[in-house]
Amino acid sequence: DIQMTQSPASLSASLGETVTIECRASEDIYNGLAWYQQKPGKSPQLLIYNANSLHTGVPSRFSGSGSGTQYSLKINSLQSEDVASYFCQQYYDYPYTFGAGTKLELK
Amino acid sequence: EVQLVESGGGLVQPGRSMKLSCAASGFTFNNYDMAWVCQAPKKGLEWVATISYDGSSTYYRDSVKGRFTISRDNAKSTLYLQMDSLRSEDTATYYCARLTSYVMDAWGQGASVTVSS
Repeated sequence: DIQMTQSPASLSASLGETVTIECRASEDIYNGLAWYQQKPGKSPQLLIYNANSLHTGVPSRFSGSGSGTQYSLKINSLQSEDVASYFCQQYYDYPYTFGAGTKLELK
Repeated sequence: EVQLVESGGGLVQPGRSMKLSCAASGFTFNNYDMAWVCQAPKKGLEWVATISYDGSSTYYRDSVKGRFTISRDNAKSTLYLQMDSLRSEDTATYYCARLTSYVMDAWGQGASVTVSS
């Protein structure tokens, strides 16, 4: 199985700051990577797919980058509504696997 | 508007069975592969199973192979997850998700399953 190592596990940032979340795959996943946002008590929502493509309706302050085994999610100009947990997920191969998540809080 | 609505969760004893349903609307159900994903309390997400648009192919995580069965009724636009021989470690919220080019681009609100005596 492909292991997804996500960091940091938690993150505290101020409004307007830029934050970056990293995800490392145990093998090359050829950009088969998605990022999801999950707010407390809600279901996950797709943010980014194919490592760097913004899903419809997602604010442009979210961006994804990376290749091979290393990927990242960047949130520019942090807003209060961005407080959530974020998960990376590889869909290059079965079983699909997720990172353990990053809990983003406001400082 | 794409909608996925899960039902059928609840409390079940270890070793017993439960069947989840996911009613889809707002899109052409039989054009899409579908998946189930679970999330144990205060834990991360785990992919459970995937079924192809026509039901001809299914994929499962190892821990549920032989116990869970994913299926679909395209005439009813409904996805199912039959869960047999349930264990305490199956306790989780189960989400159905639509797959677009392998990506989970729409999710239901989740159905809570608690396996306990």
